[in-house]
Amino acid sequence: HLQLQESGPGLVKPSETLSLTCSVSGDSMNNSRYYWGWVRQSPGTGLEWIGNVFYFGIPYYNPSLKSRVTISIDTSKNQFSLTLNSVTAADTAVYFCARFWGYCSSANCYGNFDSWGQGALVTVSS
Amino acid sequence: EMELTQLPGTLSLFPGERATLSCRASQSVSNNFLAWYQQRPGQSPRLLIYGASDRATGIPDRFSGSGSGTDFTLTISRLESEDFAVYYCQQYGTSPLTFGQGTKVEIK
Repeated sequence: HLQLQESGPGLVKPSETLSLTCSVSGDSMNNSRYYWGWVRQSPGTGLEWIGNVFYFGIPYYNPSLKSRVTISIDTSKNQFSLTLNSVTAADTAVYFCARFWGYCSSANCYGNFDSWGQGALVTVSS
Repeated sequence: EMELTQLPGTLSLFPGERATLSCRASQSVSNNFLAWYQQRPGQSPRLLIYGASDRATGIPDRFSGSGSGTDFTLTISRLESEDFAVYYCQQYGTSPLTFGQGTKVEIK
């Protein structure tokens, strides 16, 4: 039974870096059928895809966030991570990690999210 | 990026009634790559439908999806208490992936 769990600070100051980790259990992240991704949800912008990563480390990002986002993976720990730089109040959201079922190529991704973590609220405030 | 418009914003129905939710895309969705999710209060989204009409694993057959091109529909044939939630469509035919703003199905 696949489980994903987000962890990280719930409060980040403006202009600083948001960092979250997703711990995966019940499946090996080396499974080449899947990618691993991040989605955020805020009242203002709804659900927004942030990016995905494949098990051997290639990331794919939403162009709207690409300049500030890094997604990495550590299959030995069954974890993947999100960092978002230079945050503002607009980055306040619930951040979900999820398993992505589809494919990515040439910086684009096509698929959907079939398992989700419970979400982590991150507030950007001084 | 592709915009998805969901109508209505809120749907008020009695248990046992039929729910029909609409998702309209700003351009044709390639290969009908359209998914639907359910989000109950305080929970994460759950995949219901992919490929416009295929039910995800474990999803009851009272949920069905249809449509093509720019117009898609999620139908819940007979609402049960656990179906009162917010529903989102998501397209994956064009990158970046995008979601609709959601339709809330509430108890009348």
